[in-house]
Amino acid sequence: AQSVTQPDIHITVSEGASLELRCNYSYGATPYLFWYVQSPGQGLQLLLKYFSGDTLVQGIKGFEAEFKRSQSSFNLRKPSVHWSDAAEYFCAVGVGNQGGKLIFGQGTELSVKP
Amino acid sequence: DGGITQSPKYLFRKEGQNVTLSCEQNLNHDAMYWYRQDPGQGLRLIYYSQIVNDFQKGDIAEGYSVSREKKESFPLTVTSAQKNPTAFYLCASHRTGLGQPQHFGDGTRLSIL
Repeated sequence: AQSVTQPDIHITVSEGASLELRCNYSYGATPYLFWYVQSPGQGLQLLLKYFSGDTLVQGIKGFEAEFKRSQSSFNLRKPSVHWSDAAEYFCAVGVGNQGGKLIFGQGTELSVKP
Repeated sequence: DGGITQSPKYLFRKEGQNVTLSCEQNLNHDAMYWYRQDPGQGLRLIYYSQIVNDFQKGDIAEGYSVSREKKESFPLTVTSAQKNPTAFYLCASHRTGLGQPQHFGDGTRLSIL
């Protein structure tokens, strides 16, 4: 079955510290993978996407993610977290014949300590 | 500016009442989606449409209905059959093509009076 798992429901990091949010997927074909961010009461904003080529993908706001096929993972990273990064983060895999339909993980809520 | 507009931002429903959530996009996207978001449950797909006059049920379609009469519009009706409608509803769209990302509106929060 197709699924996405984000093992960490809530993570707290100090401002300026590095961040890694975990995402594991289950999908039989080559996956289309996405990371989105959501501020409270808002819609989702695309951070980055992967569907072929370089396995290290750069996104907006200084985020990057690495696709590891052997581990079925697509972890999101940022070298230095800012207080404005506090939000909820969703990993998703695109399914269907063009990968447009998304299956989302449960989300990881990020808190940032001053 | 192009984007997805959801209205209203807040909506209240009385018992036995149907309510309709609006979703309009001016991105010229073919595909549109409706999700329900509950705390701790991520996003669950209600309905989606890949072309005008056609739509498919998602994972939690019971108690909901949609129409797609125009490319720009994909309204969602929450019927009285939906017994637990309190949630945050998100509309999204994307263009045709491999791995096209979905773009989201700012959501509608529906509550029961």
